[in-house]
Amino acid sequence: SQQGEEDPQALSIQEGENATMNCSYKTSINNLQWYRQNSGRGLVHLILIRSNEREKHSGRLRVTLDTSKKSSSLLITASRAADTASYFCATDEAYQIYNQGGKLIFGQGTELSVKP
Amino acid sequence: EAQVTQNPRYLITVTGKKLTVTCSQNMNHEYMSWYRQDPGLGLRQIYYSMNVEVTDKGDVPEGYKVSRKEKRNFPLILESPSPNQTSLYFCASSPRGPRGETQYFGPGTRLLVL
Repeated sequence: SQQGEEDPQALSIQEGENATMNCSYKTSINNLQWYRQNSGRGLVHLILIRSNEREKHSGRLRVTLDTSKKSSSLLITASRAADTASYFCATDEAYQIYNQGGKLIFGQGTELSVKP
Repeated sequence: EAQVTQNPRYLITVTGKKLTVTCSQNMNHEYMSWYRQDPGLGLRQIYYSMNVEVTDKGDVPEGYKVSRKEKRNFPLILESPSPNQTSLYFCASSPRGPRGETQYFGPGTRLLVL
């Protein structure tokens, strides 16, 4: 089952603009992570936010989490052409009593294009 | 260098011919996992392993097998590949599990089943 749904599916902006991507999920979670993927390569971890946190920053990245709405957003400020990539959210579901707690569910991703 | 390696990186095969994609990590991680990535579907978890000899199904395990005999290796086995298993496959690992831990991904294996 797909837990994370991302919006928009594709986003095209100019260098210097901000990019905002959203992720919605269906069940209670322990943590939400954001990953970046360059053109079919392996995913790289960007930032993790725990269910008891509301906002987190890392450099030009700002992540928010609203557990009441089951949603998260990733904001990239002052975007650069090098930020062009696909961005995925991933959630680990709370109360994984029916398995070993090893499930991690990814969204479908947002494809970001930053034009110079 | 700490890394997750996958082999082969590219593979073309025919329906029904058994194949194995290897995954190895040198970080002494207990948790390893396999995903497939298809256009419009994101990454879907196939199998994961919390530790040696402990494996469990992800969301799309049909048609795949795994084994975890050593901590560093987690091969993905396709006993009888079919065209619908054509995909981009990723292996990932982390120290103890997905909860609150960064996942380290391999470079991916592109599989084409004819």
